[in-house]
Amino acid sequence: AQTVTQSQPEMSVQEAETVTLSCTYDTSESDYYLFWYKQPPSRQMILVIRQEAYKQQNATENRFSVNFQKAAKSFSLKISDSQLGDAAMYFCAYRAGGATNKLIFGTGTLLAVQP
Amino acid sequence: NAGVTQTPKFQVLKTGQSMTLQCAQDMNHEYMSWYRQDPGMGLRLIHYSVGAGITDQGEVPNGYNVSRSTTEDFPLRLLSAAPSQTSVYFCASRRQTEAFFGQGTRLTVV
Repeated sequence: AQTVTQSQPEMSVQEAETVTLSCTYDTSESDYYLFWYKQPPSRQMILVIRQEAYKQQNATENRFSVNFQKAAKSFSLKISDSQLGDAAMYFCAYRAGGATNKLIFGTGTLLAVQP
Repeated sequence: NAGVTQTPKFQVLKTGQSMTLQCAQDMNHEYMSWYRQDPGMGLRLIHYSVGAGITDQGEVPNGYNVSRSTTEDFPLRLLSAAPSQTSVYFCASRRQTEAFFGQGTRLTVV
């Protein structure tokens, strides 16, 4: 069975600094997608970034980038130039390719941003 | 474009009561899902649908029913609420890669 592990329940970063959130996953599939979702106190789930497993290039969205290590089954999120608005719970998620609708989530990392 | 709309946002139920959480999307997405979020456990899949008339069970389906009579709507029914169903519920829809989530329903069963 596929699993997603986030080993950092809480992280803290100074404003304008860089922080990396860790995520590892386990799967025997070759076709899959990986995601990072942000959940602020408003409770809304917001997609931060996604990575297709077949793409070797790491995804980047403005200040957010990933380090996708397929062989190691690792998918970390780097937030550069951290801002107060980045404070939130971050979830790593996996979905197999094809018609499956099942997103498998990690347990989340609560990120605090210190001014 | 409203996206995914869930109602209600908050609900308190007594043990044994039934209710329906509503979910509607206006993006013509084929895939819709219901998740529950519990502290320290991330989100877990309850039920999902790959199109109108087609539903299937997820990871934690017991105590919940769903139906998908239209592409737009995917209601979640609690048949006889139990305190273990106290949680935050999310509805999501997708067409291709990205899933869009509703704002969630915080349900408390007393």
